[in-house]
Amino acid sequence: AQKVTQAQTEISVVEKEDVTLDCVYETRDTTYYLFWYKQPPSGELVFLIRRNSFDEQNEISGRYSWNFQKSTSSFNFTITASQVVDSAVYFCALSEEGGAQKLVFGQGTRLTINP
Amino acid sequence: EAGVVQSPRYKIIEKKQPVAFWCNPISGHNTLYWYLQNLGQGPELLIRYENEEAVDDSQLPKDRFSAERLKGVDSTLKIQPAELGDSAVYLCASSLEGQTEAFFGQGTRLTVV
Repeated sequence: AQKVTQAQTEISVVEKEDVTLDCVYETRDTTYYLFWYKQPPSGELVFLIRRNSFDEQNEISGRYSWNFQKSTSSFNFTITASQVVDSAVYFCALSEEGGAQKLVFGQGTRLTINP
Repeated sequence: EAGVVQSPRYKIIEKKQPVAFWCNPISGHNTLYWYLQNLGQGPELLIRYENEEAVDDSQLPKDRFSAERLKGVDSTLKIQPAELGDSAVYLCASSLEGQTEAFFGQGTRLTVV
């Protein structure tokens, strides 16, 4: 069975600090896909990144970076030089199917960036 | 390009009453999803449509929940009768078939009193 665990329920940091959000997943499939979504106070889920199980390269997009390690079943998300606008709930998700057909989400991490 | 549109944004009803939520996906997206998000939790899939066909409704509580997507475009999710435990946010999402990214609406926050 699929499972995603985000052990950090809430994180609060001061602006400009770096912060890492942890994600640990469980799956029996050898082919799977990992996602990160951002949920601002307005409510919609905003897609940030997708990674397939065969691509363990880390990815950087501006201040965002992702570290995928199959050996520890982790897909962690780091925000560098955090900003107040980064405040949101962040969800890690797993899909055992090719696309976004059935996303299994973690419980989310509420990130608060204080000025 | 307009995103996924849901209405209403908020709904308060008394228990045992019926309620319906509407979703209009992004134009051209043939896959539509309804997710349930309880407070402090991640979303959980209720049902997925490919065009007008419900291809995965295994997690939809069929005794009180129903959904339809008659013309393969917009969709309605209904609860009848509502229970206190149904209080949650109902999210709609859409994607192109096989696409890796699903686009979400802002959700309908339901409060059952």
